[in-house]
Amino acid sequence: QKEVEQNSGPLSVPEGAIASLNCTYSDRGSQSFFWYRQYSGKSPELIMSIYSNGDKEDGRFTAQLNKASQYVSLLIRDSQPSDSATYLCAVNYGGSQGNLIFGKGTKLSVKP
Amino acid sequence: EPEVTQTPSHQVTQMGQEVILRCVPISNHLYFYWYRQILGQKVEFLVSFYNNEISEKSEIFDDQFSVERPDGSNFTLKIRSTKLEDSAMYFCASSETNYGYTFGSGTRLTVV
Repeated sequence: QKEVEQNSGPLSVPEGAIASLNCTYSDRGSQSFFWYRQYSGKSPELIMSIYSNGDKEDGRFTAQLNKASQYVSLLIRDSQPSDSATYLCAVNYGGSQGNLIFGKGTKLSVKP
Repeated sequence: EPEVTQTPSHQVTQMGQEVILRCVPISNHLYFYWYRQILGQKVEFLVSFYNNEISEKSEIFDDQFSVERPDGSNFTLKIRSTKLEDSAMYFCASSETNYGYTFGSGTRLTVV
C-alpha cells in the first residue's frame, strides 16, 4: 500500500516566521512530488513541484526533496495570515498518467 | 488565467439515483482526472482519462462509476446508483502534460 504521511497539525506560527511542513512517502519508486494549498471548502491549488534531490525555491516557498530518506518538505518564509490553509503533499508513484497519492494535509495557522 | 470549470457546485440527490457531474477542462489539455475528497479526509484518485479512454482507475472507481468525453470539451463523471458513502467533494482536473495539473472548484455531492 503506497502511503503519504503528514503531520495533521495544526501548526501555528507567528506572522513573519518560517513555517516548515514535512511529508514522508513509502515507495522508493516515486518520481515526482507536489505541494498543494487548500483553503477550507476550496479545491487544491498547486504551489510547488519537485523532481530531483535538493532544494527548489519559488518566491517565499522552498521545496526540499531527499529521496534516500523518502522525505519532502516545504518551507514558507515570511509567513502571512493569508498562508493559513491546509497544505497537501502529493506523490506520483511512477504511473504514466500522473495519478497522485495525497497525504491528509497539515493545517497551518499564521497568527498576526 | 485558464481554469477548469465544474457544474453544479452543489448537488443533492436521493440514494439510488443517478448523478452526472460535469467538467470543462482547459482547452489545450490532454489529460483529465477525477478525484474525490470525503469531508475531513484525503483527496483520493478515482480515474484518469487520456486519448478518449480510461488510462487508470482506482479501487474506488467500480462499476457504479463511468466517465465520458461526449463532445470534445466536456468531461463527465456518472454515478449510476448513489450511496450515502458517495457523499463527497468531487474534483475534476486537467493537464497539458501528465504532471502538475489544475483542479476545478469542485462539486459537493450530498446523498440523502
